[in-house]
Amino acid sequence: SAVISQKPSRDICQRGTSLTIQCQVDSQVTMMFWYRQQPGQSLTLIATANQGSEATYESGFVIDKFPISRPNLTFSTLTVSNMSPEDSSIYLCSACDRDCFVQYFGPGTRLTVT
Amino acid sequence: AQTVTQSQPEMSVQEAETVTLSCTYDTSESDYYLFWYKQPPSRQMILVIRQEAYKQQNATENRFSVNFQKAAKSFSLKISDSQLGDAAMYFCAYRSARYAGNNRKLIWGLGTSLAVNP
Repeated sequence: SAVISQKPSRDICQRGTSLTIQCQVDSQVTMMFWYRQQPGQSLTLIATANQGSEATYESGFVIDKFPISRPNLTFSTLTVSNMSPEDSSIYLCSACDRDCFVQYFGPGTRLTVT
Repeated sequence: AQTVTQSQPEMSVQEAETVTLSCTYDTSESDYYLFWYKQPPSRQMILVIRQEAYKQQNATENRFSVNFQKAAKSFSLKISDSQLGDAAMYFCAYRSARYAGNNRKLIWGLGTSLAVNP
């Protein structure tokens, strides 16, 4: 299994600013993913963070708004750029090995944009 | 495209009783994985149980078991001897077994909120 930590756990940000969320895994993993989740709702995949190459974004999400870095096999960041109140959500990081039989999740970052 | 449907937005169960959460899915693939994840108020998403589609035997993990009906594309979760700590949001998820492209991503249902009454 993998243990995943996220920083910050929560933040309140002003409209128009950017926030970078960090995701750290305690072991090397092949796949890392970033999700967005509105409270009480299901998860929406933002992108797959690929080590050594550009992230793969899902429909409706663009790199300019959600730039992602994956410098090594244990770490990734998601930046929420030029934030608006509509970006208020929980952002979750997950990871798995190459076979991806199980996805492990971080505790999430609760973002509020005012 | 694959879809996952959880038709019960909310469920409740008495402590020590048994509850079944339903999940149906739609796919044209024959090889895939199905998952139940639990998300308590702490937000930490935890894997409850996993089923490989090629296995006929239903997966079991302690008090949690599934009823996997491949032909009916149904994957229900049974929680026996419910405990207060089982109260959470439960998500059903699907993943293709193919490794091409972006197939490792999970397709999620909308979730079922389970309340456990003392």
